[in-house]
Amino acid sequence: DGGITQSPKYLFRKEGQNVTLSCEQNLNHDAMYWYRQDPGQGLRLIYYSQIVNDFQKGDIAEGYSVSREKKESFPLTVTSAQKNPTAFYLCASSIQETSNQPQHFGDGTRLSIL
Amino acid sequence: GQQLNQSPQSMFIQEGEDVSMNCTSSSIFNTWLWYKQDPGEGPVLLIALYKAGELTSNGRLTAQFGITRKDSFLNISASIPSDVGIYFCAGLRNFGNEKLTFGTGTRLTIIP
Repeated sequence: DGGITQSPKYLFRKEGQNVTLSCEQNLNHDAMYWYRQDPGQGLRLIYYSQIVNDFQKGDIAEGYSVSREKKESFPLTVTSAQKNPTAFYLCASSIQETSNQPQHFGDGTRLSIL
Repeated sequence: GQQLNQSPQSMFIQEGEDVSMNCTSSSIFNTWLWYKQDPGEGPVLLIALYKAGELTSNGRLTAQFGITRKDSFLNISASIPSDVGIYFCAGLRNFGNEKLTFGTGTRLTIIP
């Protein structure tokens, strides 16, 4: 069954701790994205990647890091430098970043601070 | 980053009513997308629009790509309880490395 899988569904972070959110897709999509969603707000772009071993900062990249070592995987690390990490994190993918093909989303990871 | 102006922010309707929402921008987009997000889940694509003036339906949902390319509309006819959720518009310019720009969302609630 093709799709985008995010894990875990819920994640708790202690102060000063880095945590990594997983995103895997088996759609053979080239482009992958990470968004942050705060309550009552739309989606804000954190990082995106058009091809393996390449990624660019989005609108709110500070305090986050990513890697794209495989086409299928685009993990997001929320570092201790991100002072307000509590949010719903969404991963998406699309066929090509510069095409007009729509992005498809995973089911999200909700990150909370202990 | 820019977000599209989406209205209304929230709607409270009775089951069976029709729903209309829209998204506007100060700049032109070449693709408009409409997504629905259920609580605690990721957005799901409802309709994609690729041409100015295009009118596309998906069951009880109908969306239009505005003729000026600066707006889009989504209508839901005869609403049912499972229509509850947040609806997002998104626009794409297709110029170079332009990113998908999202609206702020319309929260739909159905009053029993």
